[in-house]
Amino acid sequence: QKEVEQNSGPLSVPEGAIASLNCTYSDRGSQSFFWYRQYSGKSPELIMFIYSNGDKEDGRFTAQLNKASQYVSLLIRDSQPSDSATYLCAVNIPRDSNYQLIWGAGTKLIIKP
Amino acid sequence: DAGITQSPRHKVTETGTPVTLRCHQTENHRYMYWYRQDPGHGLRLIHYSYGVKDTDKGEVSDGYSVSRSKTEDFLLTLESATSSQTSVYFCAITKGQGGNSPLHFGNGTRLTVT
Repeated sequence: QKEVEQNSGPLSVPEGAIASLNCTYSDRGSQSFFWYRQYSGKSPELIMFIYSNGDKEDGRFTAQLNKASQYVSLLIRDSQPSDSATYLCAVNIPRDSNYQLIWGAGTKLIIKP
Repeated sequence: DAGITQSPRHKVTETGTPVTLRCHQTENHRYMYWYRQDPGHGLRLIHYSYGVKDTDKGEVSDGYSVSRSKTEDFLLTLESATSSQTSVYFCAITKGQGGNSPLHFGNGTRLTVT
């Protein structure tokens, strides 16, 4: 089992709909969770981070964390064609006496006009 | 924009040659990182630095070395490039004290080893 797992997609969503991206992680001791967006040929850019259980909203984006079930989600409301990209989930996982940031392989999102 | 510049942006080299990639930052951040990104894999940490001359290994450090003689520059060296090191390399910084702080990435270097 991978430590951080994402469905590779592609996930196809009509323009204007809600896109839901999911990420599961293996270690219950994980503390912080990040979502990045990466356009083809570009570097990852931070969208959101979340540390506590529940929802965190920023504009059209909502991150949802459920530590009991060990998943973190990203919702994109009113999806736009410009949201088409690969979305990377990263989780800080305990390692020895420190933490290590582990990345999922990403979910490719396609917004259809 | 976190003020991170990577050079070169593209590099083609032959197996067995040494290669050095440079990461330059303008905002005096303490923590700097080198990652590689390959299809089907998540980003993987090669080495990181927590200050001048303070570096440590990541999960895929074999075949790579780093140096940080100045706060603003973090160099990644492939001592003898192999085809398995063909990848996209990203430099990153954190604006906080590492740990739980988000990463901010440079534009990447696409390296091809023939």
